[in-house]
Amino acid sequence: ILNVEQSPQSLHVQEGDSTNFTCSFPSSNFYALHWYRWETAKSPEALFVMTLNGDEKKKGRISATLNTKEGYSYLYIKGSQPEDSATYLCASSGGATNKLIFGTGTLLAVQP
Amino acid sequence: DGGITQSPKYLFRKEGQNVTLSCEQNLNHDAMYWYRQDPGQGLRLIYYSQIVNDFQKGDIAEGYSVSREKKESFPLTVTSAQKNPTAFYLCASSPGTSSYEQYFGPGTRLTVT
Repeated sequence: ILNVEQSPQSLHVQEGDSTNFTCSFPSSNFYALHWYRWETAKSPEALFVMTLNGDEKKKGRISATLNTKEGYSYLYIKGSQPEDSATYLCASSGGATNKLIFGTGTLLAVQP
Repeated sequence: DGGITQSPKYLFRKEGQNVTLSCEQNLNHDAMYWYRQDPGQGLRLIYYSQIVNDFQKGDIAEGYSVSREKKESFPLTVTSAQKNPTAFYLCASSPGTSSYEQYFGPGTRLTVT
């Protein structure tokens, strides 16, 4: 089983702060890296799926980068807003079956 | 509205009883998945199905069973053999396997006493 680790476990920031989280995963047998946002009382929602080393993806104020050689991905949020408060999950798949191994998530709380 | 539905939202059962959790999708997705969440742990894959009439065990399949008789439905049965069935269960689907993003349902919280 692959081991996916996320840090920090939780993060409290003020509205307007920029922040970033880390996801590390085994670089051997890598296929794809997923980021999801999970708000309380809602379903996890896909943010990004990345497959290539050096991939960078952006959606509004949120962006992500991927380094498959060293086995890490960063998620950045620019100018955090209270509505960004959620748990951010990353998951890695080691093959084309799309079987995902999830990290435990980073809980972000943005104070107005 | 396209999406994934899971029912019920909360389920209570006595120990020793089998219970079936429903998962339905109208997204026309080929692949479907069942995950379990426990406090302090990441989502763990129970079973997945890449196509109708086919499914494979995930990382923690013991004590669970599934069927995939229809493309839109992937019910999960938690049997009495599952030692710690109390958990939050999430169903997901994706257009295919490979590197597609997964779409999640709202989840079912199962409590077994």
